[in-house]
Amino acid sequence: AQKITQTQPGMFVQEKEAVTLDCTYDTSDPSYGLFWYKQPSSGEMIFLIYQGSYDQQNATEGRYSLNFQKARKSANLVISASQLGDSAMYFCAMREGLSGGTSYGKLTFGQGTILTVHP
Amino acid sequence: SAVISQKPSRDICQRGTSLTIQCQVDSQVTMMFWYRQQPGQSLTLIATANQGSEATYESGFVIDKFPISRPNLTFSTLTVSNMSPEDSSIYLCSVDRGQFLSEAFFGQGTRLTVV
Repeated sequence: AQKITQTQPGMFVQEKEAVTLDCTYDTSDPSYGLFWYKQPSSGEMIFLIYQGSYDQQNATEGRYSLNFQKARKSANLVISASQLGDSAMYFCAMREGLSGGTSYGKLTFGQGTILTVHP
Repeated sequence: SAVISQKPSRDICQRGTSLTIQCQVDSQVTMMFWYRQQPGQSLTLIATANQGSEATYESGFVIDKFPISRPNLTFSTLTVSNMSPEDSSIYLCSVDRGQFLSEAFFGQGTRLTVV
């Protein structure tokens, strides 16, 4: 079974509007972290935001916020006031804790969502 | 944050040859990770490299094809051996700060094309 699912291959948004990128996850580990990365066409991976499984409040980082719904196992990324420079691939990723074993610390990535911001 | 220098940034190689990718970190880290990103795909972990021990490979990846060295706490190499066009991918090294909820930092990636 997929551990991280991003169901939106591509999303379009008008400049200055908000957009939500979906991410659902599957784990039986009570301790885990959820991360979002941005990958421009240059290929680098840019860290945006993270949420811990025990965090009570949704994470926010500037124009990025994470809508964490633990019971539904979803961790959607909300980008407010979209800018042309936000056009990129966005990946949701998870790090599991207790079950990591020898691969502790590794990130499991979703398939990604290509975001296009229109002027 | 950690600054990671990855070399080369891109290369075009002949099939049957090997390429070694270097990853240098500006601080000591316990674990380094190597990922592969095939065209249009997500990132998949190849192996985890700890200093002083053999790398741990994920299912589908073997040491003969992707040998890894980790001579010290700031450096690692990944070799892609006996390359075929199917090895054309972006290869990324990654580290974290050793804290469970800390973000992972990535090198700039190596864009490999095998012809």
